[in-house]
Amino acid sequence: AQKITQTQPGMFVQEKEAVTLDCTYDTSDPSYGLFWYKQPSSGEMIFLIYQGSYDQQNATEGRYSLNFQKARKSANLVISASQLGDSAMYFCAMSPRGFQKLVFGTGTRLLVSP
Amino acid sequence: DAGVIQSPRHEVTEMGQEVTLRCKPISGHDYLFWYRQTMMRGLELLIYFNNNVPIDDSGMPEDRFSAKMPNASFSTLKIQPSEPRDSAVYFCASSLGQRGLAGGGAHTDTQYFGPGTRLTVL
Repeated sequence: AQKITQTQPGMFVQEKEAVTLDCTYDTSDPSYGLFWYKQPSSGEMIFLIYQGSYDQQNATEGRYSLNFQKARKSANLVISASQLGDSAMYFCAMSPRGFQKLVFGTGTRLLVSP
Repeated sequence: DAGVIQSPRHEVTEMGQEVTLRCKPISGHDYLFWYRQTMMRGLELLIYFNNNVPIDDSGMPEDRFSAKMPNASFSTLKIQPSEPRDSAVYFCASSLGQRGLAGGGAHTDTQYFGPGTRLTVL
């Protein structure tokens, strides 16, 4: 069965600094997709970034980038130049090949301080 | 374009009562998903539909839960009778279709979530 592990329950960063949120996954299939979502205190789930397992380059979306290391089965989210509005829960998720579902990790709570 | 719409946003009910949660997916999206989020179990998929047809309901906890999608723009999740352990945030999400993989096969396209319904069963 597929599993997502986020080992950092909480992370602290100062405004304008970069922060890396860790995500490792377990699957025997070499084909899959990886997603990151943000959940602010208001509760909605916001899609941030996607990486396909065969994509040649690491995904980037504005201040978000994904440090994808397939051999290590890791897909860490990097947020550059943190802002106060980045304070939220961040979830890593995987969609295995042939499935339409997302398997979520337990999340990391990020707190950005002034 | 409007996102996924869910109603109500908050629901407080007493044990034994019927609860109906509603969802309107993004127009044109072929897939609709119902998730539940709790502190203990995190985010878990309950059921999903493709073109209004239920495909996988293996995550539905028990017979007290049922979901329907009578048309492409509306879905309901019903709990009858409700119990305190059903208290959670229920999310509806939709996606456009499948995303192909360079190595072959496909998986879910990006799922866009609604704001959620916070259910409290007393």
